[in-house]
Amino acid sequence: AQSVTQPDIHITVSEGASLELRCNYSYGATPYLFWYVQSPGQGLQLLLKYFSGDTLVQGIKGFEAEFKRSQSSFNLRKPSVHWSDAAEYFCAVGNNAGNMLTFGGGTRLMVKP
Amino acid sequence: DVKVTQSSRYLVKRTGEKVFLECVQDMDHENMFWYRQDPGLGLRLIYFSYDVKMKEKGDIPEGYSVSREKKERFSLILESASTNQTSMYLCASSRAGGQFGIQYFGAGTRLSVL
Repeated sequence: AQSVTQPDIHITVSEGASLELRCNYSYGATPYLFWYVQSPGQGLQLLLKYFSGDTLVQGIKGFEAEFKRSQSSFNLRKPSVHWSDAAEYFCAVGNNAGNMLTFGGGTRLMVKP
Repeated sequence: DVKVTQSSRYLVKRTGEKVFLECVQDMDHENMFWYRQDPGLGLRLIYFSYDVKMKEKGDIPEGYSVSREKKERFSLILESASTNQTSMYLCASSRAGGQFGIQYFGAGTRLSVL
């Protein structure tokens, strides 16, 4: 069965600092990987996705993520965090049938002024 | 833009009540989903529907049922609400095939069962 682990429940960074959110997955085949963001009181919005090809993928709002098969990881990064990035971030893996996602437990990001 | 609309943002119900959560999407998506979101547990799939009147159980279907009579509408039903069903409920939709797995979410319904 597929699974996703986000080791960090909470992360606090200063505005302007760099950010890396960790995601490890377990899946028997080539994974389809996603990062979603949930701002307070909102639903989830897709930040970026990896299906195949280049292992460094770019997303919206200046985020990027790198797929590392050897480490079963798909970490999310941003070079300079803005106060508006404070939110909860979810990593997810999709199944081969293309119809189901399994989510990690989420990482809540706080941004200090 | 895809729009997924959940009928209520907040609901307060009493133990034993029958509760309906409604979700409508406007992009003619084949797939629709109901998730439950709890702190530290992420999103857990309750039920999934891939067509009208078709459904599949997710990871935590106990205590819930669903109805999909029209393609755009997917309802979650709590037959007899219990306090352990107090949670945030999120609806999502996606297209079958192509754009693999990209799900679009509603804003959520925060349900409190007293």
